[in-house]
Amino acid sequence: GEQVEQLPSILRVQEGSSASINCTYENSASNYFPWYKQEPGENPKLIIDIRSNMERKQTQGLIVLLDKKAKRFSLHITDTQPGDSAMYFCAARPNYNVLYFGSGTKLTVEP
Amino acid sequence: GPKVLQIPSHQIIDMGQMVTLNCDPVSNHLYFYWYKQILGQQMEFLVNFYNGKVMEKSKLFKDQFSVERPDGSYFTLKIQPTALEDSAVYFCASSLGQGFAETLYFGSGTRLTVL
Repeated sequence: GEQVEQLPSILRVQEGSSASINCTYENSASNYFPWYKQEPGENPKLIIDIRSNMERKQTQGLIVLLDKKAKRFSLHITDTQPGDSAMYFCAARPNYNVLYFGSGTKLTVEP
Repeated sequence: GPKVLQIPSHQIIDMGQMVTLNCDPVSNHLYFYWYKQILGQQMEFLVNFYNGKVMEKSKLFKDQFSVERPDGSYFTLKIQPTALEDSAVYFCASSLGQGFAETLYFGSGTRLTVL
C-alpha cells in the first residue's frame, strides 16, 4: 500500500499570488504522482502529473516538484485566479493499478 | 474530455437493505475502480476490476461488497446488507490501460446515506 500525507488542509491566498501544496509518501516503489482538482459537485480532474524519472514539470501556471530522496512532492500554482478555488488532491501510485490519495487541500483565492 | 457518469448522485437507504451504485465508464476503457470518501477525508481505494474479474481489493472492500459489469454495461458496486459506516461518497473511475502513467478518469460520485 501507500500512505500519502497532504498539507495544508485549508489554504487562502490573494488573487495573483502563488499557492503551494505539499505531499509526502512512504512507499519508495511509488513512481507516479498525479494531482487532481475537484470543484463542488464535480468529478476530480487530472491537472498535472509527474513521473519518478523527473524532478520538475510545468504546464499552464502549474509547477510540480518531486524529491524522491525525501519522498516529497508539491504543487505550485503561480498567479492564482478565483477560478483556481477548489479542492486539490495529490496521489501516489506504487503499482500499476492503485492510486493512493492525500486528504485534500481546500484552496480559496480571494479577489 | 472523457466522462464517467455515476447514477444516482444521492441515495438514502435504511441500514440492512441492499444498494447498487451504477457507473457508466468511458466507452473504450477497460479498467474500472471504486473509491470511497468519508466527509473531510481522502478518497480511499476499494477495488479495481478488469476483464470481468476483481484484480485487487483493499481492506475496506468488505464481504458485503461486490462488483460486476454485466454485458459490458454499467460497472456496479453492490452493498448487501448496508451498515451505518457505509455512509460516504463513492467515486467510480476508469482507465484505458494500466500502464506506468495511465490516467484515471473519475465520476462525480454517489453520496450514500445509510440511516
